[in-house]
Amino acid sequence: GAVVSQHPSWVICKSGTSVKIECRSLDFQATTMFWYRQFPKQSLMLMATSNEGSKATYEQGVEKDKFLINHASLTLSTLTVTSAHPEDSSFYICSASRNGPSTDTQYFGPGTRLTVL
Amino acid sequence: DQQVKQNSPSLSVQEGRISILNCDYTNSMFDYFLWYKKYPAEGPTFLISISSIKDKNEDGRFTVFLNKSAKHLSLHIVPSQPGDSAVYFCAASANGDDKIIFGKGTRLHILP
Repeated sequence: GAVVSQHPSWVICKSGTSVKIECRSLDFQATTMFWYRQFPKQSLMLMATSNEGSKATYEQGVEKDKFLINHASLTLSTLTVTSAHPEDSSFYICSASRNGPSTDTQYFGPGTRLTVL
Repeated sequence: DQQVKQNSPSLSVQEGRISILNCDYTNSMFDYFLWYKKYPAEGPTFLISISSIKDKNEDGRFTVFLNKSAKHLSLHIVPSQPGDSAVYFCAASANGDDKIIFGKGTRLHILP
């Protein structure tokens, strides 16, 4: 089956530093990837849609300059949390569409737990 | 090993009838369960959740039932409407952990 990986699985950083999270589709090409943020015991919040070769589409209320998304290839999207602060501590999950944005088949990564001290 | 399983990849239901989507889990530590709905070209959106201290949670046309002894939950939609056609993901999280595990989804078709 289709596999989506995330790296790192967890990261601890100091306030003010930047953290990069990778999302990879291991055995399929993904023209579209989604980035979510999850707070404890709460539902996922869609942050942005990452499109290969073009700019990401951010949801309302998500700071584009703080959460930089790059989808440089058909198998890799990265989320960079810039100048991280403790309130950015959360669980970040990516997902990928297998055959393009028109498909509704969605594969989720295992998530990355970010803790900002 | 899949901890959250949705064994039916697709389901077709007549408009106005009840849609029942099923989900099984293997991890007895799971204590919080969620259902997400996803339209094509969009990310999943949260639909309804249930804590393990309950066996039923209702929100309008949507009801989730939890059977802990069977490690089974189901989402009931009644009456089914055309706009309910989507993919539904079951998800679960374990005690004290904010990470959630998703199933692979069930595609629901509402027939006119």
